[in-house]
Formats: sequence, structure tokens, C-alpha cells
Amino acid sequence: DTGVSQNPRHKITKRGQNVTFRCDPISEHNRLYWYRQTLGQGPEFLTYFQNEAQLEKSRLLSDRFSAERPKGSFSTLEIQRTEQGDSAMYLCASSFETGPYEQYFGPGTRLTVT
Amino acid sequence: AQTVTQSQPEMSVQEAETVTLSCTYDTSENNYYLFWYKQPPSRQMILVIRQEAYKQQNATENRFSVNFQKAAKSFSLKISDSQLGDTAMYFCAFMKVQGGSEKLVFGKGTKLTVNP
Repeated sequence: DTGVSQNPRHKITKRGQNVTFRCDPISEHNRLYWYRQTLGQGPEFLTYFQNEAQLEKSRLLSDRFSAERPKGSFSTLEIQRTEQGDSAMYLCASSFETGPYEQYFGPGTRLTVT
Repeated sequence: AQTVTQSQPEMSVQEAETVTLSCTYDTSENNYYLFWYKQPPSRQMILVIRQEAYKQQNATENRFSVNFQKAAKSFSLKISDSQLGDTAMYFCAFMKVQGGSEKLVFGKGTKLTVNP
């Protein structure tokens, strides 16, 4: 296992289009997190899965955002009707459910909405 | 809600010297972890060091050590013998242990440049 992977690495889309990102966590990890990072800021929490259950969502996650982790393995994050304000780096991280809760991050998907 | 403040947007240090990055946090929780993550240019976030709040001893990982002052809610990172590869954004992060999501709350980061 080589770590957390994310695809695509870069996505350029026009405003109003839908986009979907994929995250493959470290295989032994049952927790999966999505964060969003805008320029000059630290990552902000979006949502979290334990196995296939989505247990927490941030208020940052508007109705246009949806995330799934259907079999408790990989996860997808979909943004519908993209807006320019959605331009950011979307980071995925995974961890065990027991301490010390260290999260391992993927390389991120950089989204540019034109 | 917890907040994390990194008051130094940018810092620079000469190779082989020591540098300290500052971090303060605000919480009313008693059970939490603190982390420093490193994000090299165009590369992924890497965990540098972890500190459990219940431990009085400061964490150390090779050239990286922390000064954890729980009462002052301060968590600084010291990098000794700085190397060119240490050039990166450094993020301080807080995690409340709550038997739930254990999500990270990040500061805005400090951009560290190591000069040859």
C-alpha cells in the first residue's frame, strides 16, 4: 500500500458543470475525511466517514456537495453546478478509528472553476 | 469551537540553524491531540509530529521537537539543523478526542524557507 491516492490531480471546469473526485484511502484505515484548502489558508473539514457511514458534515458542505463511500473503501466527492468559489484544493485523508488518530493525506485534487 | 492561530505567516532560516514556529490554540476541552503537518511546494501534507494533551513530556522526532505549554495553550515547533528539504508550509492542527470524527482544525500556516 503506497498511501492515500486521489484522482484526478487537477480539474478545470466551467461554471455550472458537475465534477466528481475520487479518494482511495490506506486499505487498513476505516476512517476517511475530506477537507478543502483555499489559497493561503489551512485545510477546512468538510465531511467524515467511518466505514461506509457518513457521520459528520460541515456547514461548509452546501447542498451542491455530496460524498459517498459505498463499500467502506474508496470515496467520491461530487460538486453539482460548480461556482467560482468552489475553486480550491480538495484533500482526502484516512486514519484508524482508534488513537492516536493520525491522519494521512493524499496529494489532493486542485479544482479550477472558470 | 476550537481555533488555532499561527502568528508568523512567513519565516526564513539559514541551513543548519534552528528555527521555532509558533502556534496557539483556544479550547475548553481537556482531551485532545496537537499536530504539526508539513506541506512542501506542490506536494502532499506530511505529519511531522504529534502531542497528546495528557502527556507532560514534549514530543520529539529526530530534528523536530515541540514545546507544549498546556496552561498557556501554546504548541511551538522547533526545527534543529535546518535542511533545504525543510522548506515548506507548516500547519499546526488541533484534534478534539470525542469518540467520533476526531477531525482536524488547522491554523493558517507558516511558510518556512531554508536558505543555503
